[in-house]
Amino acid sequence: GAVVSQHPSRVICKSGTSVKIECRSLDFQATTMFWYRQFPKQSLMLMATSNEGSKATYEQGVEKDKFLINHASLTLSTLTVTSAHPEDSSFYICSAPGRRNTEAFFGQGTRLTVV
Amino acid sequence: KQEVTQIPAALSVPEGENLVLNCSFTDSAIYNLQWFRQDPGKGLTSLLLIQSSQREQTSGRLNASLDKSSGRSTLYIAASQPGDSATYLCAVRSSGNTPLVFGKGTRLSVIA
Repeated sequence: GAVVSQHPSRVICKSGTSVKIECRSLDFQATTMFWYRQFPKQSLMLMATSNEGSKATYEQGVEKDKFLINHASLTLSTLTVTSAHPEDSSFYICSAPGRRNTEAFFGQGTRLTVV
Repeated sequence: KQEVTQIPAALSVPEGENLVLNCSFTDSAIYNLQWFRQDPGKGLTSLLLIQSSQREQTSGRLNASLDKSSGRSTLYIAASQPGDSATYLCAVRSSGNTPLVFGKGTRLSVIA
């Protein structure tokens, strides 16, 4: 089945630094990637939709200048958390929709801790 | 706007029991529904996918049903085992290329 690979799985960074998370579709082309965030004991909430070759669309309340999304190729989408703060500590996970009638595929997730 | 609700929020059962997890969604015009398992601190494992035209799907000890008109799905786990302990998430998709909308999950503990 289709595989989505996400790296890194875990990162600890200092407050004020930037962190880049990569999401790759390994055996299929993903024109769209979804980025979700999950706070402790909460469900996954959609942050933004990454579209290959065009600007990402962000959900209400998500700062586009803080969470930079780049989808420069059909197999790679990146999320950069800029000037990270402790409140950005969360579990970030990407997803690519399957072809018609197939399941959505998820990366392994990235646990971000900002200290 | 689609909203997904899962009941109960947490459930603790003795090993061997059969159990049912419930999921409801407000907009019945869904494309498909997917059940996931999430272990603490980990990513998602897809369990079952039900298309909008289907009534149920089965995989091993798991059976998921879908009643689209009433906006409900259930996940039935037979003969529960301690290894089934995890959070179970229900998510719906409204159309082919849209993101999933997740419920808050049911945290299951199976006691040996």
